[in-house]
Amino acid sequence: DSGVTQTPKHLITATGQRVTLRCSPRSGDLSVYWYQQSLDQGLQFLIQYYNGEERAKGNILERFSAQQFPDLHSELNLSSLELGDSALYFCASSVVTDNSPLHFGNGTRLTVT
Amino acid sequence: QKEVEQDPGPLSVPEGAIVSLNCTYSNSAFQYFMWYRQYSRKGPELLMYTYSSGNKEDGRFTAQVDKSSKYISLFIRDSQPSDSATYLCAMTGANSKLTFGKGITLSVRP
Repeated sequence: DSGVTQTPKHLITATGQRVTLRCSPRSGDLSVYWYQQSLDQGLQFLIQYYNGEERAKGNILERFSAQQFPDLHSELNLSSLELGDSALYFCASSVVTDNSPLHFGNGTRLTVT
Repeated sequence: QKEVEQDPGPLSVPEGAIVSLNCTYSNSAFQYFMWYRQYSRKGPELLMYTYSSGNKEDGRFTAQVDKSSKYISLFIRDSQPSDSATYLCAMTGANSKLTFGKGITLSVRP
């Protein structure tokens, strides 16, 4: 068990809808990362937060947004969903940032129909 | 050219075999190298973490980094069916975000 908790485990929704994925990092970790994993693209970095502040952005679509709250949990919001957004979404956390190994949750499997 | 290239696989070996998994990279700034193991329906799990060139051993697993060739390897000795998983290499360095290979699926046949 990595100590990173993600909810829900599965999500099935329709195109055009909006969903929120939630992540609780490991105790003591200040940095939270969001990744998208699909069969053809592998693990794609979306966004990173450090102690409540956005730290880095990757290949995150404008329809997606995230935030990290004062208690360090994070939420990833996906809106105007398209079929191509179906994927596994992982949250990871690390103690600090830059060069620290990441510890991943077990992901949320999103299916858009 | 992608920053990190990993053999696509899949790879199937008999139990007890020595497995060699490899990644190449192009960014000279990478200094920290990792291997993650991902079981089906689970998140990636950190397996090995190394800094710069050299070898690191942990039980049946050995991570090897050759910075001059921009090549990293993970060796698994006496492979077991429980080693069947997807293995992802990852690397980072100064002013570089963590970059993953696409992963290779390993199957160890009893």
